[in-house]
Amino acid sequence: EDQVTQSPEALRLQEGESSSLNCSYTVSGLRGLFWYRQDPGKGPEFLFTLYSAGEEKEKERLKATLTKKESFLHITAPKPEDSATYLCAVQDTNAGKSTFGDGTTLTVKP
Amino acid sequence: NAGVTQTPKFQVLKTGQSMTLQCAQDMNHEYMSWYRQDPGMGLRLIHYSVGAGITDQGEVPNGYNVSRSTTEDFPLRLLSAAPSQTSVYFCASSSLAGGEQFFGPGTRLTVL
Repeated sequence: EDQVTQSPEALRLQEGESSSLNCSYTVSGLRGLFWYRQDPGKGPEFLFTLYSAGEEKEKERLKATLTKKESFLHITAPKPEDSATYLCAVQDTNAGKSTFGDGTTLTVKP
Repeated sequence: NAGVTQTPKFQVLKTGQSMTLQCAQDMNHEYMSWYRQDPGMGLRLIHYSVGAGITDQGEVPNGYNVSRSTTEDFPLRLLSAAPSQTSVYFCASSSLAGGEQFFGPGTRLTVL
């Protein structure tokens, strides 16, 4: 059974204070690892897809990296508008469906 | 493109009532899915479909039915609502090739 564990559950940062979110996963065959952002009262919004260990993707202040067992979402010099819940999901090559972690709620204080 | 649309946005039911949550997408995606999200938790898969006429169960299917008669629509039916089904429900779609899912705005359901 596929499993995704995200840590920490909550993260409070000062504006400009860089940090990382962790996503540990177990899957029989990884088709893709996905990061989503979810704002309160809204549906998740796609950020990145990573397919193989060593791959990196960047978008503005966010950078996602992937190893064989975990993924990190690095946030550089965050701003208050980066406050959201960040969800990680893995897609299994066999099942085709995605398994989500419980998310990390990020709060960035000005 | 409207993307993924869901109706209604809010719904209150009494225990034992039935209802259908509607989901539609205009991106010609083969894959569609229904998730529920409870406070402080991630998304749990209820049912999914890889194309018209094909559906399968996810992690928490009990108490829910789905059908996929067209590529665009994927309704979720609650057969006999229970308080444990109080949750926010999200519909999502993706191409089978891409994998990344596009989510609707959600339906907030309360069962009294």
